[in-house]
Amino acid sequence: DGGITQSPKYLFRKEGQNVTLSCEQNLNHDAMYWYRQDPGQGLRLIYYSQIVNDFQKGDIAEGYSVSREKKESFPLTVTSAQKNPTAFYLCASKGRGPGANVLTFGAGSRLTVL
Amino acid sequence: GEDVEQSLFLSVREGDSSVINCTYTDSSSTYLYWYKQEPGAGLQLLTYIFSNMDMKQDQRLTVLLNKKDKHLSLRIADTQTGDSAIYFCALGGQNFVFGPGTRLSVLP
Repeated sequence: DGGITQSPKYLFRKEGQNVTLSCEQNLNHDAMYWYRQDPGQGLRLIYYSQIVNDFQKGDIAEGYSVSREKKESFPLTVTSAQKNPTAFYLCASKGRGPGANVLTFGAGSRLTVL
Repeated sequence: GEDVEQSLFLSVREGDSSVINCTYTDSSSTYLYWYKQEPGAGLQLLTYIFSNMDMKQDQRLTVLLNKKDKHLSLRIADTQTGDSAIYFCALGGQNFVFGPGTRLSVLP
């Protein structure tokens, strides 16, 4: 079945460490997105990529980095520069549904900084 | 920029109807969406409506769109305990814009 796989599901990090969250899709979608979710704040866009080898900053890109070397993969690195990285991170890809573009989400990765 | 607002909480009795409301400031989106998020999971697409439509029904779900008032609602008929979740409305486009989510609690 087609879908988006995020890993790891849970991740613990010490302050000062970089961590990379994986996002892989087999939906053949061109566009991919990373969101951060904090309680009561909805989803905030970190980075997005419309096509391979190209990506753009979202609303809260500071302290994060991404790459898009393959269509299927869009990893997110949370760097030590991110002041408050504890959050739930969601990856999504966008493709054509019946009549509309649709965002499909992965199951999420919960990062906790100790 | 675009702004999407929702009430943060809603409680209903099992078997009653739930109505989740959403208001927005920008009306240029061609499609408007409803997503559902269960605890610890990603978002799941429930339904979407074309901006030229007033209503869309899909089994227990009814979406109403009032473009003049920039108001979108999701009605869930015969609400069940399995409907307990957070519901997000979203405006479509190159980058979707999401509301803060409404946490629906279904009481037995």
